[in-house]
Parts: sequence; structure tokens; C-alpha cells
Amino acid sequence: NAGVTQTPKFRVLKTGQSMTLLCAQDMNHEYMYWYRQDPGMGLRLIHYSVGEGTTAKGEVPDGYNVSRLKKQNFLLGLESAAPSQTSVYFCASSYELAGGPKETQYFGPGTRLLVL
Amino acid sequence: GNSVTQMEGPVTLSEEAFLTINCTYTATGYPSLFWYVQYPGEGLQLLLKATKADDKGSNKGFEATYRKETTSFHLEKGSVQVSDSAVYFCALTKGQNFVFGPGTRLSVLP
Repeated sequence: NAGVTQTPKFRVLKTGQSMTLLCAQDMNHEYMYWYRQDPGMGLRLIHYSVGEGTTAKGEVPDGYNVSRLKKQNFLLGLESAAPSQTSVYFCASSYELAGGPKETQYFGPGTRLLVL
Repeated sequence: GNSVTQMEGPVTLSEEAFLTINCTYTATGYPSLFWYVQYPGEGLQLLLKATKADDKGSNKGFEATYRKETTSFHLEKGSVQVSDSAVYFCALTKGQNFVFGPGTRLSVLP
């Protein structure tokens, strides 16, 4: 199993450009998440999905859109990139046993984005 | 709402020293608690977890006990190694999501 993979690993954008980050997981997990990590701020949730065809806003959703057309993929889009979106982006997936405690998240290796 | 507070870093220790990284939380209900570790240039990996009060999570010599009375989940290791140098995140569940602390950077010197 590859686990959670992210593409690309690194990208440089100019202000106003658009791009899509791809996250893929091969563990048949229902839940998928997009976070951004900035120095001193830990991880902040951008958007998440509780299943194929569903998405929901997290803590910092502005400027981002997401889609979950297939269970294994979760796409994060930036329609018009801004310098404030310079960050490291992590995707994660998780599952939950019926009636059981929340299980752990599995993280991808991250995408480093620089917006000039 | 649910939140996590971690001790500020960075923490610098000599090899074989004792490690404690404090984590306290506020939560409604009974969240699961986690410690994640992030090595340079990598994503987060689960280090250990506990799902109910008084549970002790352990892995690779690290331990943490879910203390409901003090709302804490402190991470400890009796003898750190250079290879333990990383950023450590305390986290808890919040409904369908997770809430992470800001992270504590640990540097272990030989």
C-alpha cells in the first residue's frame, strides 16, 4: 500500500494563478482532510470530506475549494493564488469504526507551495 | 470548543536525558487523544494514542497517560536519542475532525 500520496511535492505560483493539489489514498478510508501548516501555528484544517461526493469547510476555507468525486481522491483548488497562501499543505485520511473511538489520521508527505 | 495547549519550544536535550512535553486540553465529551511526530521534510506520523480516561499510550519508548482530572496528556520518554529530534504535536478529536496543538520542536544533542 502506498498510503496517502500527494502531488506535486513543490510548486511556485505567481499571484493570481490557479492550481490543483491532488491527494490519493489506497486504504479505502471514508474521511479525508486538507490542512495547511505555517510556522508556529500547527496544522489548520482547510476543508474535509466524510465520504465520496461530500465536502465541508474547516477552520480556514477562504480562497480554497475542494472536490471528492472518487472515494480515493481529494482535490484542493486555489482559484486565484495569493502570497498569504504560501504554506505547506498536508492531506490526511481516516476511518471510524461503528460505535468505536475515532481512529488516527494518516498523513501524506506534504506539498510545499510558494506564491510570489 | 475543543482545543489543545502545548508547551512552547524549542526543547534542547542531551542524549539519554529525560523528556517531558506538556499537553493540556479543553473538550466537551470524551475525545480521543493523540501524539504525532513530524521528522524534517515529512508528514505527521502517529506516535501514540489513548481513547479513554486513564489509558496509557506507548510506542518507541514514549508514553502518555490520558488524565481526565487534570485534562492532560503529557508525553514522556526516559532516555532520548538523537534520532528523536523532531516536532511533536498533541491532538484530540473534535466531532469528525481533529484539533492540533502548535507543535513542540525537540532537538537532541549527542
